[in-house]
Amino acid sequence: DTAVSQTPKYLVTQMGNDKSIKCEQNLGHDTMYWYKQDSKKFLKIMFSYNNKELIINETVPNRFSPKSPDKAHLNLHINSLELGDSAVYFCASSLKSGRVATQYFGPGTRLLVL
Amino acid sequence: GESVGLHLPTLSVQEGDNSIINCAYSNSASDYFIWYKQESGKGPQFIIDIRSNMDKRQGQRVTVLLNKTVKHLSLQIAATQPGDSAVYFCAENMGSGTALIFGKGTTLSVSS
Repeated sequence: DTAVSQTPKYLVTQMGNDKSIKCEQNLGHDTMYWYKQDSKKFLKIMFSYNNKELIINETVPNRFSPKSPDKAHLNLHINSLELGDSAVYFCASSLKSGRVATQYFGPGTRLLVL
Repeated sequence: GESVGLHLPTLSVQEGDNSIINCAYSNSASDYFIWYKQESGKGPQFIIDIRSNMDKRQGQRVTVLLNKTVKHLSLQIAATQPGDSAVYFCAENMGSGTALIFGKGTTLSVSS
């Protein structure tokens, strides 16, 4: 009955590879987000989708491409992985049409690029 | 750019003490403020929130205070327990569907 789930939890890969992270929410929310947490624990927004449409796209290399097949899913594909991509990636969701803006986070995907 | 920050990176308290974690924000247009707790190896967990038209909100053992005059937010935890040990983040945004802007986090350590 997990509200926001991500797979995989851990991802270890070589530089130059392409990898995907998946996110699913069963809260009935219409907006989903990807955040990146660096080694100093700083959390920063990367992307946001509302009803499958991209609404936030921060300054992120175009090697990162989000895809939202439906409101409940938001995947993140990363091409040509670099050492600096090593971080924890968190998916979150919220209800844009709601009065409150609370975002609920998944457990994170720990990416290590070697 | 504007950002949300925390005054202290670490806070150590004894079990049973009250804890106060502070946060300064700079975006006067922010409408909504949230405190999250992040335990080791887990995602941020919602604790309590407050809208800009309020100055205080209470939950179970937690209270959030908002001072818009000096752009200051605080989280008070009553009778702190070892299970409260975690990193605490304040975050702000301008309403539903907008991105959260996070502060740098305060690591709370509770010793028994």
